[in-house]
Amino acid sequence: QQQVKQSPQSLIVQKGGIPIINCAYENTAFDYFPWYQQFPGKGPALLIAIRPDVSEKKEGRFTISFNKSAKQFSLHIMDSQPGDSATYFCAATLTGANNLFFGTGTRLTVIP
Amino acid sequence: DVKVTQSSRYLVKRTGEKVFLECVQDMDHENMFWYRQDPGLGLRLIYFSYDVKMKEKGDIPEGYSVSREKKERFSLILESASTNQTSMYLCASRKLGSYNEQFFGPGTRLTVL
Repeated sequence: QQQVKQSPQSLIVQKGGIPIINCAYENTAFDYFPWYQQFPGKGPALLIAIRPDVSEKKEGRFTISFNKSAKQFSLHIMDSQPGDSATYFCAATLTGANNLFFGTGTRLTVIP
Repeated sequence: DVKVTQSSRYLVKRTGEKVFLECVQDMDHENMFWYRQDPGLGLRLIYFSYDVKMKEKGDIPEGYSVSREKKERFSLILESASTNQTSMYLCASRKLGSYNEQFFGPGTRLTVL
């Protein structure tokens, strides 16, 4: 059973567009929601993370929006660039958990 | 600069062979993980180790075992490789604590013929 559901599976946008990747979860005990970015041939790396006590977090061109009541969170990439082309994974965890529960990933392609 | 290294980038084995995947981290992290990554399925946890000689099963441990004799090294073992174990295998490490960042290695692409 997938603890975190992610969509879309793939996404193609023009340079300068704002791709949006969505994730949903069921376990209301989750209290930490990171996003990982993976370039081809590399392992995933932490991009940005949010706690449920805030509705939005920005780091540079990357923004997480969090809706606690809907149990959903999303990643927005402002002014997307070809260098943002990668696979993005959302994840969730809770206090005392050993591991992260990952979404299935979104392959983003930004066309110049 | 933090570093997680994996012994091979690409590996080709035959059905029934015993396969060892090695992972080494230089950050003195307590926790180490083995995941497999498959298209459309994301990252699935195979095994987790929270300390030397300690291990816990993840979501898909069947057909795998692990060994952690030293803090910096975590090995994944396929006792008798099968074609359905063809996948990308990722190792990660993390300082003790649920919210701490996981640092991933570059992955090993294993093909079982």
